[in-house]
Amino acid sequence: GESVGLHLPTLSVQEGDNSIINCAYSNSASDYFIWYKQESGKGPQFIIDIRSNMDKRQGQRVTVLLNKTVKHLSLQIAATQPGDSAVYFCAVNWGGGANAGGTSYGKLTFGQGTILTVHP
Amino acid sequence: NAGVTQTPKFQVLKTGQSMTLQCAQDMNHNSMYWYRQDPGMGLRLIYYSASEGTTDKGEVPNGYNVSRLNKREFSLRLESAAPSQTSVYFCASSVRPTQYGYTFGSGTRLTVV
Repeated sequence: GESVGLHLPTLSVQEGDNSIINCAYSNSASDYFIWYKQESGKGPQFIIDIRSNMDKRQGQRVTVLLNKTVKHLSLQIAATQPGDSAVYFCAVNWGGGANAGGTSYGKLTFGQGTILTVHP
Repeated sequence: NAGVTQTPKFQVLKTGQSMTLQCAQDMNHNSMYWYRQDPGMGLRLIYYSASEGTTDKGEVPNGYNVSRLNKREFSLRLESAAPSQTSVYFCASSVRPTQYGYTFGSGTRLTVV
């Protein structure tokens, strides 16, 4: 199976600072990793993803780092803004299988989330 | 585009009552999912439908049933609600089963008393 944990349940930063949110996973067979952002009263929103054949991937103000040796994933947000305040989840795919119809599927396991608060 | 639409947004049920949560997507996605979100538990998969005409159990299927009505709609039914089913329920969809950048709906907050 897969268990996903976060090092800190809450993170408070000042506007303009860089934020780092961490995630640990347990299954070395995990091959795909996603970060989601969830604002209050809304569903999770895809931020960025990375596959296991990569160590780093960058988006707009966000960077995901993957360390497969220690099974650790991080999300870095540059120049954090008040609008970045939300709960951030990592999700890890560890393979899944095939259903009765032969269609392959993955199994995403979500972490518990880190609450990011950005102070003006 | 509306994306993924869930109804209702809020619901209070008495123990033993039944109800159906509705989900519809307008993105022509093949795969649809139902998750529940509980404090400190993250999101857990209840059921999914890899494509129209197929449904499969996820991590926590007990007490639930699903119907993939057509390509757009995927409903979740609670036949006899229990307090342990108090949660926020999210529907999601993706282009194909192995595409993991799911699009989520805004959720249904269900309370069972």
